[in-house]
Amino acid sequence: AQSVTQPDIHITVSEGASLELRCNYSYGATPYLFWYVQSPGQGLQLLLKYFSGDTLVQGIKGFEAEFKRSQSSFNLRKPSVHWSDAAEYFCAVGETHDMRFGAGTRLTVKP
Amino acid sequence: GAVVSQHPSWVICKSGTSVKIECRSLDFQATTMFWYRQFPKQSLMLMATSNEGSKATYEQGVEKDKFLINHASLTLSTLTVTSAHPEDSSFYICSAVAELTDTQYFGPGTRLTVL
Repeated sequence: AQSVTQPDIHITVSEGASLELRCNYSYGATPYLFWYVQSPGQGLQLLLKYFSGDTLVQGIKGFEAEFKRSQSSFNLRKPSVHWSDAAEYFCAVGETHDMRFGAGTRLTVKP
Repeated sequence: GAVVSQHPSWVICKSGTSVKIECRSLDFQATTMFWYRQFPKQSLMLMATSNEGSKATYEQGVEKDKFLINHASLTLSTLTVTSAHPEDSSFYICSAVAELTDTQYFGPGTRLTVL
């Protein structure tokens, strides 16, 4: 069965520091993998997705993620966090649109 | 960019009443829309897949007679929570797949509180 685990419920980083949000998945075949961001009152916005090919995926807003099959992971990274990055981040796995989401990681950015 | 709206953004109702939530794709046509439910500090759980002009496909464990879905046009899907009870209180999110680009866009969600 498909499942997604985001081990960190809440992360706090200082503005300008680097960020890594963890995501582990369980899936029968090579999955489609997604990262979404949700700000209060806003819909989920797609940051990036991996379908195949290069395992390092570049997304919007300076985010990137790396697919590691051996570790069943798809961690999200950003080299320098901005205060506007404070939000809830969701990892998702599945088919193109039939997705299963992780519980989310809330990111707080300290000045 | 493409926008999906939901109305209302929040609603409070009495136990036993029915509540309708609308999901609209504002600048694109969507053959397929999805309805999710999100409990506090939990992930989005897919409830059903709504296809324009046909019956919705419900996920296992979701009562189709309680959560009525209608997708009468290419820009509108509705979710009606019938005979709502406090345990139905949740955050309901829809998404719509743009026909031309096959890209999925999410609505901002509707907070339902049943007293």
